[in-house]
This record gives sequence, C-alpha cells and structure tokens, in this order.
Amino acid sequence: DTAVSQTPKYLVTQMGNDKSIKCEQNLGHDTMYWYKQDSKKFLKIMFSYNNKELIINETVPNRFSPKSPDKAHLNLHINSLELGDSAVYFCASSLLEWGEQFFGPGTRLTVL
Amino acid sequence: GENVEQHPSTLSVQEGDSAVIKCTYSDSASNYFPWYKQELGKRPQLIIDIRSNVGEKKDQRIAVTLNKTAKHFSLHITETQPEDSAVYFCAASLYGGATNKLIFGTGTLLAVQP
Repeated sequence: DTAVSQTPKYLVTQMGNDKSIKCEQNLGHDTMYWYKQDSKKFLKIMFSYNNKELIINETVPNRFSPKSPDKAHLNLHINSLELGDSAVYFCASSLLEWGEQFFGPGTRLTVL
Repeated sequence: GENVEQHPSTLSVQEGDSAVIKCTYSDSASNYFPWYKQELGKRPQLIIDIRSNVGEKKDQRIAVTLNKTAKHFSLHITETQPEDSAVYFCAASLYGGATNKLIFGTGTLLAVQP
C-alpha cells in the first residue's frame, strides 16, 4: 500500500561511479519531484516533472539526469559521483503542479 | 527568487508547554505555506498548510498564522507531547502557478522533554 516508494534505501559507492535511484508513485499524481537533503537537513528542490515533462530544473550539475518513463516513475541517474553528492535524496509527488507533496522514504547516498 | 528564513533552529520545551516556530518569506506573490514534520530517519510529512486568503488555520493542537503584510507565518503547537519531537520545516510557494516549487526553510529541531 506504499504511496511513494524509492529504491534503493541505502547506496554506498566509490567516487567516480555512476548510480541510479528509482522512484514510483501509485497515487495517480501528475507531478513528481526530486529533492536533496544535505547533512544539515536542508531540503532543496532539484527537478520536477509533470506528465513526463521537465518543468523545474534547478541549478544542479549536469551529472544529474532525471528520467520519467511514465507518469508514475521518476528516476535519477548520477554520473561521476563526487564526495559532495553524499546526501539523502527524496522523491515526492503531487496531484497537480501545486498542492500537498507526498514524499518517498528517501535514499541515503554515501560516496566514499 | 523566493527565500524562506526559519527560526529558531532548535527549540526545547517541557511536555505540555507550547512551541512556536516562525518563518519569513521574501516573494510577496507566494500564496501557499505548508508545514512539514520530519521524524528522525523518516520522510517529511505535511501536518498543516495555509493559503494567503486565510489568516489562521487550526487542526487540534496545531495552528498556523499568516501575516501577509509582514510576510511571515508561524506554527503553534500547544500541549506538546514527546511524539511531537521532530524537525519541522516551513515552506512557501505560488499555489496555482505554473510550477509548485516549494522553497523550504532551514528547519527547526523541536525536542519535547518528558
């Protein structure tokens, strides 16, 4: 009965590697987001997709590439991982391009 | 762009006391102000929200007030309980705009001492 799910929950990897995080929502929402939460707990929007179309693209290194194969999925691929990428990444979704956002459980990424 | 400031960064209260967390925003066009609660190791969850056509909203022990002129809004928790201990985030956005870009405050760690 999970509303917004992410895999994996934990990701430990070496610098320079490429990794992906997957997100799925079963709420029938049109809009999905990726947030980064750093060690100081600051939550910052990275990307937003509405009906598979990119609508928000914050100042994020182009090593980060979101992909939305369909309305229910939004994946995040990260190339050439750096130490500073270590954080918790949250996926979220909302019914429209506004309103309550439902967050996934988060993926804790640790880059060694 | 929008900027949201949140104070205090940490707040410790005794069980049963009230807690108040304050936020200010910079973009006068913002009209939607949600509050999220994040327990340790968990996801942020919406606890209450307010739109700019309303000055106050209450839900049991939680209330939010909005002062559009001063561009600040506050979360009030009465009769605090240990399970209220968490990080609380305020946020601001333009509801009904082209994008629901939530700008979050920096968070307040609330500790309720039994």
